[in-house]
Amino acid sequence: GQNIDQPTEMTATEGAIVQINCTYQTSGFNGLFWYQQHAGEAPTFLSYNVLDGLEEKGRFSSFLSRSKGYSYLLLKELQMKDSASYLCAVRTHFGNEKLTFGTGTRLTIIP
Amino acid sequence: DAGVIQSPRHEVTEMGQEVTLRCKPISGHDYLFWYRQTMMRGLELLIYFNNNVPIDDSGMPEDRFSAKMPNASFSTLKIQPSEPRDSAVYFCASRLPQGSGNTIYFGEGSWLTVV
Repeated sequence: GQNIDQPTEMTATEGAIVQINCTYQTSGFNGLFWYQQHAGEAPTFLSYNVLDGLEEKGRFSSFLSRSKGYSYLLLKELQMKDSASYLCAVRTHFGNEKLTFGTGTRLTIIP
Repeated sequence: DAGVIQSPRHEVTEMGQEVTLRCKPISGHDYLFWYRQTMMRGLELLIYFNNNVPIDDSGMPEDRFSAKMPNASFSTLKIQPSEPRDSAVYFCASRLPQGSGNTIYFGEGSWLTVV
């Protein structure tokens, strides 16, 4: 089966930096996605990694190590609006668009 | 631009009743996905279509669930008969063709409660 692990909850301070980790053990690998989901809303796309390394997009960066089955999402200059759940998802096979999601990390930003 | 449109947004129904959820994908998107989200199991793919054809329905829980996509702009997910354990948020999502980007765009979801 597919296994994707993330911490259930994290708390961080406004203005600080937080790193949300994701480890995966899947039957194949063809890309890793990060989504943000505010309570009661739809998930929205944040980032995509398919090769090892760091992808930076404004305050958000995502890192991938395929050999370690590991990714992290780095959020800088945290704002109160960053309080949300962050979902890690893996696409396991080229040509199959199925994404397997982790259960998500609920991030709370405190003043 | 209109996003993925789902209806109804909220539905409360009695056990045993038929439930039909509807989705209109973003124009030009040829992939359509139905996901279900619960606290216990998170976000799970039920089925996805490409060019109106079902490609992977391995996530469909059982015969009570069925999905159709009669044309490029409309899809339905039907539960018959519904059971309390079907209570969840059902998301429809769509994306552009292969080679045009990897982003999946989600609708606002249909919140289903079966009592």
